[in-house]
Amino acid sequence: EVQLVESGGGLVQPGGSLRLSCAASGFTVSSNYMTWVRQAPGKGLERVSVIYSGGSTYYADSVKGRFTISRDNSKNTLYLQMNSLRAEDTAVYYCARLSVSYGYYYMDVWGKGTTVTVSS
Amino acid sequence: DIQMTQSPSSLSASVGDRVTISCRASQSISSYLNWYQQKPGKAPKLLIYAASSLQSEVPSRFSGRGSGTDFTLTISTLQPEDFATYYCQQSYSTPQLTFGGGTKVEIK
Repeated sequence: EVQLVESGGGLVQPGGSLRLSCAASGFTVSSNYMTWVRQAPGKGLERVSVIYSGGSTYYADSVKGRFTISRDNSKNTLYLQMNSLRAEDTAVYYCARLSVSYGYYYMDVWGKGTTVTVSS
Repeated sequence: DIQMTQSPSSLSASVGDRVTISCRASQSISSYLNWYQQKPGKAPKLLIYAASSLQSEVPSRFSGRGSGTDFTLTISTLQPEDFATYYCQQSYSTPQLTFGGGTKVEIK
């Protein structure tokens, strides 16, 4: 079964750090494009970061320089290292597979999400 | 950056109704448009990609149309399990992959 399971969320103080993990099963993370998407309480969806199969990475302007996306091929796991956290980073964080068909990209597999709360 | 605007932001409808949600891009995105459904406390679910291609196992009452800047998602006969929030997303400009603000479909 194709599945993504996030972990690592929690309560952290402003300025702190957290590392989110996303374990994949049923497919290979390194062979796919992968993303992190977040949703602040009561708000819409925001694409946070993307990592392509070749290793190129992209970030939303709001997290650039503070967040780092990476993967461990041996563990078939995606990560999001979050540093210098701010209150506005409070959200549910989802990992998703970004598939492509005939040049059309779409997020077809999602995890259930992990909650990050930044508060003193 | 490409901005995506959905309308309405919410709507009330009854089971059996035909429902249409609109999504407008700030510039032409050809057919690079996806639709997702999200229920409370759950992850989004892909419904339609490439503006009109139905994702596997999604009921045929869902359909998508449009190209350029204007797109619609239609639910032909609203079912109880369709009450949710729907998001459009552009995939013309990757990796931006911008989402619309969402449309909440509520029970009348």
